[in-house]
Amino acid sequence: EVQLVQSGAEVKKSGESLKMSCKGSGYTFTSYWIGWVRQMPGKGLEWMGIIYPGDSDTRYSPSFQGQVTISADKSISTAYLQWSSLKASDTAMYYCARHSGSYSIDYWGQGTLVTVSS
Amino acid sequence: QSALTQPRSVSGSPGQSVTISCTGTSSDVGGYKYVSWYQQHPGKAPKLMIYDVTKRPSGVPDRFSGSKSGNTASLTISGLQAEDEADYYCCSYAGSSVVFGGGTKLTVL
Repeated sequence: EVQLVQSGAEVKKSGESLKMSCKGSGYTFTSYWIGWVRQMPGKGLEWMGIIYPGDSDTRYSPSFQGQVTISADKSISTAYLQWSSLKASDTAMYYCARHSGSYSIDYWGQGTLVTVSS
Repeated sequence: QSALTQPRSVSGSPGQSVTISCTGTSSDVGGYKYVSWYQQHPGKAPKLMIYDVTKRPSGVPDRFSGSKSGNTASLTISGLQAEDEADYYCCSYAGSSVVFGGGTKLTVL
């Protein structure tokens, strides 16, 4: 059974750094793109970017390029999303998402809620 | 790269059919056969309902169907049921990235 298990909720202050994780299991981690989707409170889904753990090829949405870093450690089947300096506007639910060969998202993590106070 | 355009809300009575549109450009919806649709109930993670414009994952009822014409994709739900009430998002490959629609709230009257 394919599972994506994300790290727990975070409460941070503006300017702090954060690295969240998503551990994949039940499939060959290095053979699928895995990425991140943001959902701000009461708003829609926003695609942030993806990484191919097999070779670390990474793609970002123009809206998130330079704002976050996506990485992966294939030895432990885990993808990461990190910020160097959080802003209050980063408050959102973040979903980890496995992408199929045609870029649809066939499996989702349970979500990690990030709350950033100013 | 702009979000795909969806109606903010649609509604229908049980048993009826509804169609949700998703309009993009030739750089996303119109340029690829990689449109997908997701259902999201409150407080839950999204669920894949349609991929590759018309394909249904295993377990998704055949009441859900997808289509595309030019730069506009559509999701049709026939035989509406109360549990179909949710937010629906379209999504398209856009050449090295992916873009979502703004979402449509479906109300079952």
